[in-house]
Amino acid sequence: ETGVTQTPRHLVMGMTNKKSLKCEQHLGHNAMYWYKQSAKKPLELMFVYSLEERVENNSVPSRFSPECPNSSHLFLHLHTLQPEDSALYLCASSQEPDLNTEAFFGQGTRLTVV
Amino acid sequence: ILNVEQSPQSLHVQEGDSTNFTCSFPSSNFYALHWYRWETAKSPEALFVMTLNGDEKKKGRISATLNTKEGYSYLYIKGSQPEDSATYLCAFITSSGYALNFGKGTSLLVTP
Repeated sequence: ETGVTQTPRHLVMGMTNKKSLKCEQHLGHNAMYWYKQSAKKPLELMFVYSLEERVENNSVPSRFSPECPNSSHLFLHLHTLQPEDSALYLCASSQEPDLNTEAFFGQGTRLTVV
Repeated sequence: ILNVEQSPQSLHVQEGDSTNFTCSFPSSNFYALHWYRWETAKSPEALFVMTLNGDEKKKGRISATLNTKEGYSYLYIKGSQPEDSATYLCAFITSSGYALNFGKGTSLLVTP
């Protein structure tokens, strides 16, 4: 257990559906992240939140919408996704966004868009 | 996009062998270098965070070195065990960045 919990672990959704991924950490960290891993690619940063404010949006399509209601929770809202969005979505947190200490990761949500 | 290169892509060794992997990264604006171990169906877990040129860190049979001037880090595993089988990820962050830039990882398989 890393202290970062993601739900659901697996999700299958149609292209017209709306769903949300949830991430929760009770480590007292100030920064939270969404990463995407597609097959044969490195982990790609999607969003960074520091003290509940979005500090980086890495050119992610608007069909992905993040939300950080407090420092312990991070959501990724999904709508009208494409099959190529099928991937593993990882949440992470760190004490501070400057990352001179380790990041803690959840186990990820395996998303399949059909 | 800041490229992080890891080699080899995959590695298969026998139990008891020692092995090492390489991570190459841009040397300008360096801030920190992270190594993570990612076992199948689990979360990536941090091994080391290194910030200073010449850093050497050790955790049990695993150690890492850092050269920020030439932009590389080595991860060493001494006397590999089957439980070391995992993907080893390298990631770095620049002084102006907010998040880690990852390599594709080195997939290690250790067989008895």
